[in-house]
Amino acid sequence: QVQLQQWGAGLLKPSETLSLTCAVSGGSFSGHSWTWIRQPPGKGLEWIGEINHSGNTNNNPSLNSRVTISVDTSKTQFSLELSLLTAADTAVYFCAGGRKVTVPAANKYYYVMDVWAQGTTVTVSS
Amino acid sequence: SSELTQDPAVSVALGQTVTITCQGDSLRGYFASWYQQKPGQAPVVVMYGENKRPSGIPDRFSGSTSGNTASLTITAAQAEDEADYYCNSRDTTTNHLHVIFGGGTKLTVL
Repeated sequence: QVQLQQWGAGLLKPSETLSLTCAVSGGSFSGHSWTWIRQPPGKGLEWIGEINHSGNTNNNPSLNSRVTISVDTSKTQFSLELSLLTAADTAVYFCAGGRKVTVPAANKYYYVMDVWAQGTTVTVSS
Repeated sequence: SSELTQDPAVSVALGQTVTITCQGDSLRGYFASWYQQKPGQAPVVVMYGENKRPSGIPDRFSGSTSGNTASLTITAAQAEDEADYYCNSRDTTTNHLHVIFGGGTKLTVL
């Protein structure tokens, strides 16, 4: 069973760069797309971006210019960097693994994030 | 880009049935996935695909889809079902490149 463990600095100053890493264990690294999500205090979930085992990335356009997601397949880890931080970036940051599956009988897909790490609280304050 | 719309809050009496809905154009191409989140915890998937429940999720949780609307139904709701619920899919208007979430529904069990 796939498990995720994440770590990184929790208190940062404005204009600094957030850096988080997520380690994948217990399953196939190529079976998921590896995703970062954040949740500001009292608010909903926001997708930041994802990477697959080949290093292909997709990012949320609203954050795209500040986001770098990378992967280290030798360590089965993936990482997030978010630059030029402001107070609006204060949130709990989660890493998760997602799968897109085709349902031919219905001519549809589903996408499920079925493994999550515990989250890291990141506070941006001077 | 596409959006997923959820009612912000829903309440249900203990033991009664409640349905949480999620509406969006991308749901014509995707079955929604549903996540339960309790305070201070990471989200947990409770429903995905065409009415699939992960192991460990009680069978009082069920899902359905009609057109651009997905529904999560909890039959005989229990106190422990009080939580925030989020729906999710990929965005078909961006060639499936982006992931989208609904704004979340806060379920209160009375």
